[in-house]
Amino acid sequence: GAVVSQHPSRVICKSGTSVKIECRSLDFQATTMFWYRQFPKQSLMLMATSNEGSKATYEQGVEKDKFLINHASLTLSTLTVTSAHPEDSSFYICSASFQRLMNTEAFFGQGTRLTVV
Amino acid sequence: AQSVTQPDIHITVSEGASLELRCNYSYGATPYLFWYVQSPGQGLQLLLKYFSGDTLVQGIKGFEAEFKRSQSSFNLRKPSVHWSDAAEYFCAVSYSSASKIIFGSGTRLSIRP
Repeated sequence: GAVVSQHPSRVICKSGTSVKIECRSLDFQATTMFWYRQFPKQSLMLMATSNEGSKATYEQGVEKDKFLINHASLTLSTLTVTSAHPEDSSFYICSASFQRLMNTEAFFGQGTRLTVV
Repeated sequence: AQSVTQPDIHITVSEGASLELRCNYSYGATPYLFWYVQSPGQGLQLLLKYFSGDTLVQGIKGFEAEFKRSQSSFNLRKPSVHWSDAAEYFCAVSYSSASKIIFGSGTRLSIRP
């Protein structure tokens, strides 16, 4: 199957600093990438949909200025958590869509555990 | 709006016993349906998906799921669970194969030795 790589897998940062998370499709071109957030023992909540070369579409309640998404190429999308606070600590997962035969499938990265101290 | 309901938060079954995890969806048309598994601290692995065609879908690791339009359900089954099946299971729905995926709240599966 197609591979989606997320980096870093874990990051600890101080309050007030910014953190960038990368999501790469390693062996395919992804026209659309999605960013999810997962709190402990909870489900995945979609944060935003990112299309290559255009602005991301954010879900209701997600702060655009807080969670900056850039999808500059067909293989890379980045999520930057700006001025991070402890409440931003969470598990962030990206997924990338890939056209295979007659269907388009979504493949998930392994996630990034962010801890803000 | 589409939504997914997993009524069971936590299920415990004995190793070797059969398993059924429930999933109900709310969507006007025929949705795209998925089951994912997540081990602690890990990402998601796709077990199986339903786009169209045969309503009984076979997946990896011996799992299967059946799409029942009349019941708006897509329950996951396995005839005999293994200790390694202990994990969190998420049912998910999408408008199309390329659009955003909406996840259910998850069911945590524990295996009794």
